[in-house]
Amino acid sequence: EAAVTQSPRSKVAVTGGKVTLSCHQTNNHDYMYWYRQDTGHGLRLIHYSYVADSTEKGDIPDGYKASRPSQENFSLILELASLSQTAVYFCASSSTSGDANSDYTFGSGTRLLVI
Amino acid sequence: GEKVEQHQSTLSVREGDSAVINCTYTDTASSYFPWYKQEAGKSLHFVIDIRSNVDRKQSQRLTVLLDKKAKRFSLHITATQPEDSAIYFCAAIQSSGSWQLIFGSGTQLTVMP
Repeated sequence: EAAVTQSPRSKVAVTGGKVTLSCHQTNNHDYMYWYRQDTGHGLRLIHYSYVADSTEKGDIPDGYKASRPSQENFSLILELASLSQTAVYFCASSSTSGDANSDYTFGSGTRLLVI
Repeated sequence: GEKVEQHQSTLSVREGDSAVINCTYTDTASSYFPWYKQEAGKSLHFVIDIRSNVDRKQSQRLTVLLDKKAKRFSLHITATQPEDSAIYFCAAIQSSGSWQLIFGSGTQLTVMP
């Protein structure tokens, strides 16, 4: 079954440390996205990618880097984790740009706690 | 860019009653409006969507209404059940740049027995 798999499911990181969140999709989708979820803010886009070896900034990219080494894999990197980056992070994939993205598929999320 | 506002952060209804969740958007060019459901501690799952070429879409107990003139869309759930309790997110496709989904802030629906 096509899916988006995130790892780890949860993580505790220390302030100033490096954190890498991983995402793998078997949907054969071109687009992949990283969102963060904070209470009362819905989901906000951090980075996205529409092709391997290329990433784009979303609405809140500061403090985050992204890497798309292949169509299936998309990572989110926090080089210097900060307390404000405590959140739940969701990866998603979709097949095409433009209208009618009813195949947007979300991973199960990564709960990150920065202490 | 597109902004989506979801006006109720919480909504409580009695089992069997109807629930209505409202959203507004800013980009007149937006053409696709999905809704997602998030149960406690879980990921988001697609529930229903509507495209801008129609103003109403129904799927079983769910109906989405779209008013393009007012830039408003709403999710109607009839005959609510306890398992409908969840956070519901509305979203719109941003029509330029990344074609990303822009989300509302979510509505916590509680269906009381």
